[in-house]
Amino acid sequence: SQQGEEDPQALSIQEGENATMNCSYKTSINNLQWYRQNSGRGLVHLILIRSNEREKHSGRLRVTLDTSKKSSSLLITASRAADTASYFCATGGSGSRLTFGEGTQLTVNP
Amino acid sequence: DTEVTQTPKHLVMGMTNKKSLKCEQHMGHRAMYWYKQKAKKPPELMFVYSYEKLSINESVPSRFSPECPNSSLLNLHLHALQPEDSALYLCASSQSAWPLSSYNSPLHFGNGTRLTVT
Repeated sequence: SQQGEEDPQALSIQEGENATMNCSYKTSINNLQWYRQNSGRGLVHLILIRSNEREKHSGRLRVTLDTSKKSSSLLITASRAADTASYFCATGGSGSRLTFGEGTQLTVNP
Repeated sequence: DTEVTQTPKHLVMGMTNKKSLKCEQHMGHRAMYWYKQKAKKPPELMFVYSYEKLSINESVPSRFSPECPNSSLLNLHLHALQPEDSALYLCASSQSAWPLSSYNSPLHFGNGTRLTVT
């Protein structure tokens, strides 16, 4: 069974707006990763945040992790049409399989 | 462009056919993975190879047979598939070997093979 649950399932915004996606998980983790998948393509790794980190940035991406609430959020600032994709969180660690959440479908309208 | 190459991109096969999916990476990664992904769902792990040895088989039916001829190549042999096996099959690799890869090593995915079983 998939450990991560993502919210919302779908998000539609205008270009230039910020997009926030949330991920919740159930068991303790070593790290949490975010991936992007364009339609019909493979997944692309975006960012990895370790359990002892609270926030991480990469370009227009900002990821937070709250291990006490077992949740993470991905913020994409100043979104572009090219950001339209599915976004998956994935939890890993302790020798366990990397488990993907159900994903958020982001649509950025020009 | 991805550094993990999968062929073919599309495959249509009958239930009595035998076919193979191929995956190649030249990044020196120590672990390679097969995932299955149905439409609008997350990828599901099928197999993990670490140092060319099968480390994980997620109770996958025997009609799927993985093979790792060398550290750069990963095959998935298909035989007597069912229509419900139609999906996107993704190959991935990670720098660290299993199980260390679950701690710190992002996955690099290919663009997948879109399989249709008729």
